[in-house]
Amino acid sequence: QVELVQSGPEVKKTGASVKVSCKASGYAFTRFGISWVRQAPGQGLEWMGWISGYNYKRNYAQRFHGRLTVTMDISTSTVYMELSTLTSDDTAMYFCARDPWTGVADYWGQGTLVTVSS
Amino acid sequence: QSALTQPASVSGSPGQSITISCTGTSSDVGGYNYVCWYQKHPDKAPKLIIYDVSDRPSEISNRFSGSKSGNTASLTISGLQAEDEADYYCSSYTSSNTILFGGGTKLTVL
Repeated sequence: QVELVQSGPEVKKTGASVKVSCKASGYAFTRFGISWVRQAPGQGLEWMGWISGYNYKRNYAQRFHGRLTVTMDISTSTVYMELSTLTSDDTAMYFCARDPWTGVADYWGQGTLVTVSS
Repeated sequence: QSALTQPASVSGSPGQSITISCTGTSSDVGGYNYVCWYQKHPDKAPKLIIYDVSDRPSEISNRFSGSKSGNTASLTISGLQAEDEADYYCSSYTSSNTILFGGGTKLTVL
């Protein structure tokens, strides 16, 4: 069965970086991409970026350009999301999701809570 | 890019039908048949309920249906049940090669 397992909760200081992992299993990893989506407390869903499991192609939401880096280790079917220069506005639940690239996120990780404080 | 526009809340009684709209532009909703709808319960991951405007994953009840006209997509839930109470989000592929979500709609089953 398809499963995406994310790393555990993180607490970071303002200005620091955070790196969240998403390990995929149960499907042909290179046939799909992975999107990252976050939800701040009391807010809606926000798409952050995507990486292709096939050719490493990446797309990022404009508002995260320069702060967001999505990488991948095909040998372990793991995708990483690194967000730098954190502020309190980055406090959110971060989700990874399997996505072929049209936004059809059919399987989701359990979420990783990132808390940013001063 | 601004979020797609959804009503903040809708409500209905058990057994009734409700429709949630999702309005974008010709650069997203109107330009592509890549509109999805997600159901989200508190403290749970989102669940895909509609993809490609009107297709349904096999495990999703046929009480959920999707459509699109111009720059507005719609989700209809018929035969409302208590467990349908949740937040619903639309999303669309955009001409900038990104994905845009709606602001979300809280569904209350009275």
